[in-house]
Amino acid sequence: QVQLVDSGGGVVQPGGSLRLSCSAVGFSISRYAMHWVRQAPGKGLEWVAHIAFDGGNILYADSVRGRFTISRDNANNTLALQMNSLRVEDTAVYYCATWAFTLGIDYWGQGALVAVSS
Amino acid sequence: ENVLTQSPGTLSFSPGERVTLSCRASQSVDSRFFVWYQQKRGQAPRVLIYRTSSRATGIPDRFSGSGSGTDFTLTISRLEPEDSAVYFCQQYGSSPYTFGQGTKLEIK
Repeated sequence: QVQLVDSGGGVVQPGGSLRLSCSAVGFSISRYAMHWVRQAPGKGLEWVAHIAFDGGNILYADSVRGRFTISRDNANNTLALQMNSLRVEDTAVYYCATWAFTLGIDYWGQGALVAVSS
Repeated sequence: ENVLTQSPGTLSFSPGERVTLSCRASQSVDSRFFVWYQQKRGQAPRVLIYRTSSRATGIPDRFSGSGSGTDFTLTISRLEPEDSAVYFCQQYGSSPYTFGQGTKLEIK
């Protein structure tokens, strides 16, 4: 059974750092682009970052560029999001996701809650 | 940034009825990279429609998508109680990838 398992969420003070991880089970991420998408409490979805299958192309939302870093380890089938200089407005559930719709692929993690509060 | 605006914000319909959700983009969208998601409370989103009009695996034919350029629609015919959810459109043809703000569909 395919699963993406998000971990690393927690409570952090403004200005602090946190590292999220996403482990793939029953599925090899090595052929696919991966994404982080977040959802603030009671709000809509916001795309955060993208990394190509080989790590060669990385994209960020303007709201996180320069503070967040996406990375991947295909050998260990994991995705990461290093979040620095966190702000209150970064509070959200963070999902790792991958999609290749024509191949029937639309996988999301269960989400990791990040709460930035003093 | 290509801003996606969904309308209306909330809908309330009865089972068996037909509903149309709208998503308008501020810039033209490559239809190959336009999708609709359904999100139920406490769950991750799941794709309903990709490439503007292709149903994802396991999605019933009550769901259909259409559109081009800047105007896209999701139609749900013969509503069922389990269709109660929030629906999001998304484009991933140009960075930053963007989502609409969502339309909440309530089934009476």
